[in-house]
Amino acid sequence: EAGVTQFPSHSVIEKGQTVTLRCDPISGHDNLYWYRRVMGKEIKFLLHFVKESKQDESGMPNNRFLAERTGGTYSTLKVQPAELEDSGVYFCASSQAGGMDGELFFGEGSRLTVL
Amino acid sequence: GENVEQHPSTLSVQEGDSAVIKCTYSDSASNYFPWYKQELGKRPQLIIDIRSNVGEKKDQRIAVTLNKTAKHFSLHITETQPEDSAVYFCAASWYQLIWGAGTKLIIKP
Repeated sequence: EAGVTQFPSHSVIEKGQTVTLRCDPISGHDNLYWYRRVMGKEIKFLLHFVKESKQDESGMPNNRFLAERTGGTYSTLKVQPAELEDSGVYFCASSQAGGMDGELFFGEGSRLTVL
Repeated sequence: GENVEQHPSTLSVQEGDSAVIKCTYSDSASNYFPWYKQELGKRPQLIIDIRSNVGEKKDQRIAVTLNKTAKHFSLHITETQPEDSAVYFCAASWYQLIWGAGTKLIIKP
């Protein structure tokens, strides 16, 4: 069975440009999460989808970030325009069970470097 | 806001020795405490978890202990091996997972 896949694995862009990250969760997983880790710091929650609905987007830093999950399958996270502080590794994770006491299956992450 | 403190940030131990990583959480409502391991270039994976109604859980060479009164929990790895080298993340949740900053574990041959 395929795991969570993320694309691209690494993106280098100039400040002010736009980047779109994609996540394909494990098939059948209704719950999809986006996280970000800045180097050496904690993994920070960005948002949580249940199917196509945003269950919790309290971690989104500002309105330059837009996440979608059309049809409840794959998800995209767009950063527009990108700023230097947006650099980091963006992780996507999915889970079958609701609630935060079940295993999360992570992707390998998308490393974003904003110059 | 709620947070999880994780220490140390880097831990270097001799192969065969034990390693202990400690985390402290702030939200007393937290009731689930997973540990994830991220090997270099790979995805984080769950290695062990514990719920608030249990004080200790063991799985072969790894164990987790929880002290609800003090609001801290620890990961113990015994008889460390080279493949234990990785970054380990603790987390605590009641509603959403709050993560620690990670511990880079280095196993010296």
